Amino acid sequence: GQQVMQIPQYQHVQEGEDFTTYCNSSTTLSNIQWYKQRPGGHPVFLIQLVKSGEVKKQKRLTFQFGEAKKNSSLHITATQTTDVGTYFCAANRDDKIIFGKGTRLHILP
Amino acid sequence: SAVISQKPSRDICQRGTSLTIQCQVDSQVTMMFWYRQQPGQSLTLIATANQGSEATYESGFVIDKFPISRPNLTFSTLTVSNMSPEDSSIYLCSVEVWDGPYGYTFGSGTRLTVV
Repeated sequence: GQQVMQIPQYQHVQEGEDFTTYCNSSTTLSNIQWYKQRPGGHPVFLIQLVKSGEVKKQKRLTFQFGEAKKNSSLHITATQTTDVGTYFCAANRDDKIIFGKGTRLHILP
Repeated sequence: SAVISQKPSRDICQRGTSLTIQCQVDSQVTMMFWYRQQPGQSLTLIATANQGSEATYESGFVIDKFPISRPNLTFSTLTVSNMSPEDSSIYLCSVEVWDGPYGYTFGSGTRLTVV
């Protein structure tokens, strides 16, 4: 079935450095969603991308959806300690969503 | 967007027993989703619960082990039956949100430890 592959699995960055996580699919996606899960918390919806080549920004976060709608990225500029957590991409399949394995971001002070 | 109250937040259970997890949504929703998240892992969909019909289970999950109830459009329960240590995990319910930014809202999760 449809899967979304997410890399890297882990990322350690110095505070202030940038961070990017990538999501790839072998099939065309109708949309892609991004979620953030803080340590000990539950996933929280960040954004949905629908259009080919779409780019959306939320403060220091930039989300992109590829032209072929098979890949997506989340980029964080100048990371802060509050950015710690696991970032998941997710895609709709039938009436449900399937999650990538997530990228765990650790910030080094 | 929808707010989900999930309980219990955590429990420690003896093997062979069952635990029922409840999720209450503050608005009516057609479908509710139940996920399992093992430590450090991604979310795995267990089943989709529709009001008035049997839940639809994903591959690897069966009704005898994870019976689900959906008595109305705002409430659902997931029971983890005949538990073993392998069932230790976080269980989350989720609903699809159409009012406002589209996305899925999650309950706060139930951290289950089976001893």
